[in-house]
Amino acid sequence: SQQGEEDPQALSIQEGENATMNCSYKTSINNLQWYRQNSGRGLVHLILIRSNEREKHSGRLRVTLDTSKKSSSLLITASRAADTASYFCATELQGAQKLVFGQGTRLTINP
Amino acid sequence: SQTIHQWPATLVQPVGSPLSLECTVEGTSNPNLYWYRQAAGRGLQLLFYSVGIGQISSEVPQNLSASRPQDRQFILSSKKLLLSDSGFYLCAWSVGTSGGGETQYFGPGTRLLVL
Repeated sequence: SQQGEEDPQALSIQEGENATMNCSYKTSINNLQWYRQNSGRGLVHLILIRSNEREKHSGRLRVTLDTSKKSSSLLITASRAADTASYFCATELQGAQKLVFGQGTRLTINP
Repeated sequence: SQTIHQWPATLVQPVGSPLSLECTVEGTSNPNLYWYRQAAGRGLQLLFYSVGIGQISSEVPQNLSASRPQDRQFILSSKKLLLSDSGFYLCAWSVGTSGGGETQYFGPGTRLLVL
């Protein structure tokens, strides 16, 4: 099974609302990252949170990390139509030199 | 600034034909390089990664291979394509001194359709 599992698989909200996506993982990590992918394009890095951090902000993005529950959440506030994309969490496992990606959450913002 | 190029953008190949996808990075030295495959509506599967010229680690046994003939060039190849090789192939790089788990920067991808 996947190291990172996003929830929900798909999310549809109205423009202006907040969007929350969750990621759970199984083993100890060095860091957890969130990426965004527009349809048919490459991934774009959004934010990285280290295992000793609990919360991080970047513009309208807020990421939390709970290592005791092995979970993270990505909050996008005041969503815009341009936020429509797939969002992936990726974890760097302890002792590994690579990232493991989840299956993604497909976010649709309705105007 | 750093940029990453992939080509071609789209490729349609018959079953049994060879494959060569190329990825180059500009503006950085000794990057870590990665090849991923993404099935439609799915996450990324790491295929190969490289921490230096001629150093290739394979994650998934299959009929694909990778080579790194130059510091900033990463090539994905196959001698005979299978239908199951269809997908979206993404190349990525990260800073070489970081150990591989830091931020990765992705190319635009190559969509491969094997018929």
